[in-house]
Amino acid sequence: AQSVTQLGSHVSVSEGALVLLRCNYSSSVPPYLFWYVQYPNQGLQLLLKYTSAATLVKGINGFEAEFKKSETSFHLTKPSAHMSDAAEYFCAVKNTGGFKTIFGAGTRLFVKA
Amino acid sequence: DAGVTQSPTHLIKTRGQQVTLRCSPKSGHDTVSWYQQALGQGPQFIFQYYEEEERQRGNFPDRFSGHQFPNYSSELNVNALLLGDSALYLCASSLNRGDEQYFGPGTRLTVT
Repeated sequence: AQSVTQLGSHVSVSEGALVLLRCNYSSSVPPYLFWYVQYPNQGLQLLLKYTSAATLVKGINGFEAEFKKSETSFHLTKPSAHMSDAAEYFCAVKNTGGFKTIFGAGTRLFVKA
Repeated sequence: DAGVTQSPTHLIKTRGQQVTLRCSPKSGHDTVSWYQQALGQGPQFIFQYYEEEERQRGNFPDRFSGHQFPNYSSELNVNALLLGDSALYLCASSLNRGDEQYFGPGTRLTVT
């Protein structure tokens, strides 16, 4: 069965510091992997996706993630945090050819001035 | 180009009542999925509709049902509401077999 584990329900960084949000997945078949961002009282917005092409994926707003099959990880990074990055971030997995997307519990990112 | 729209934005219901939530997919999309997001949790997959049929369902009771119309819009119905049904209900649309979902802003349901 598929599952997603996000390490750390809350992460706090200073403005300008590196952002690292951790995600590990479990899947019996090659997965599609996603990172979404959710601002308060809004729906989810896709940041980036991995669909078996390049293992380093670049997304919107300066975010990127690297698919590491050996570690079953898909961690999200951004070199320099901005105040506007404060939000909830969700990692998600979907089987290739499947219909159902499984989401992690989310990590809330706080950015300190 | 309008994205995914959902109505209503907020809804307050009493235990035991029934509720209907509505979703219009992004233009050109033919597949609609529904998710329940409880406070402080990630979205949980309820079901997906394609060609007016439910083609996969998550771990939700039969009180949760849906419908897709010929114009691809969709409804989520919940009967015999429980306090635990209070959540943000998200609709997402995509192309059939597409890997990318577009989410609506959600409907906040409060059951008292």
